[in-house]
Amino acid sequence: DQQVKQNSPSLSVQEGRISILNCDYTNSMFDYFLWYKKYPAEGPTFLISISSIKDKNEDGRFTVFLNKSAKHLSLHIVPSQPGDSAVYFCAARGLSGYSTLTFGKGTMLLVSP
Amino acid sequence: NAGVTQTPKFRILKIGQSMTLQCAQDMNHNYMYWYRQDPGMGLKLIYYSVGAGITDKGEVPNGYNVSRSTTEDFPLRLELAAPSQTSVYFCASSSGRGTEAFFGQGTRLTVV
Repeated sequence: DQQVKQNSPSLSVQEGRISILNCDYTNSMFDYFLWYKKYPAEGPTFLISISSIKDKNEDGRFTVFLNKSAKHLSLHIVPSQPGDSAVYFCAARGLSGYSTLTFGKGTMLLVSP
Repeated sequence: NAGVTQTPKFRILKIGQSMTLQCAQDMNHNYMYWYRQDPGMGLKLIYYSVGAGITDKGEVPNGYNVSRSTTEDFPLRLELAAPSQTSVYFCASSSGRGTEAFFGQGTRLTVV
């Protein structure tokens, strides 16, 4: 059973527009959420994170929104650039013990010029 | 600025062979992880370590073994390679529990 779900395998956006990547989770014990970006033949790189006590976190063109009641988070990229084309993974951390990160399947974003 | 270094980058194994995937980090991180990524799937945790001498199973540990004798190194051992272990393997490290993890470039393993 998937605890972190990214239901859109891919997303296409035009350069300059907003990209919105979505992530849903089922485990209410998750307390910290992260987004990673991955280019082909490279390892994932950390992009942005948000604690469960917040509902928004911004870093430049990237904003993550968290809706705890809906168990939903989203990553907004404004404006989108062709270099943003990559696979984006949502990840979540649980509260207890040595809890590690649980990853979604990823969404491939294609930003066209 | 090496970060997390994985070797080899590519490997083809025959069924039943064994090999060790190497992982080293130079950030003095206590936490280290091994993930595998199958096509169209997310990252699944194989094993992790919270410090030298301490390891624990993740979501998909069967067919693998790990050791952590130093803070820097976290090798992953495949004893009897099977086609189901064809995957891309990523090693990662972090300074704290479930915090921002730094990933290596991955090892693409094919078992034939």
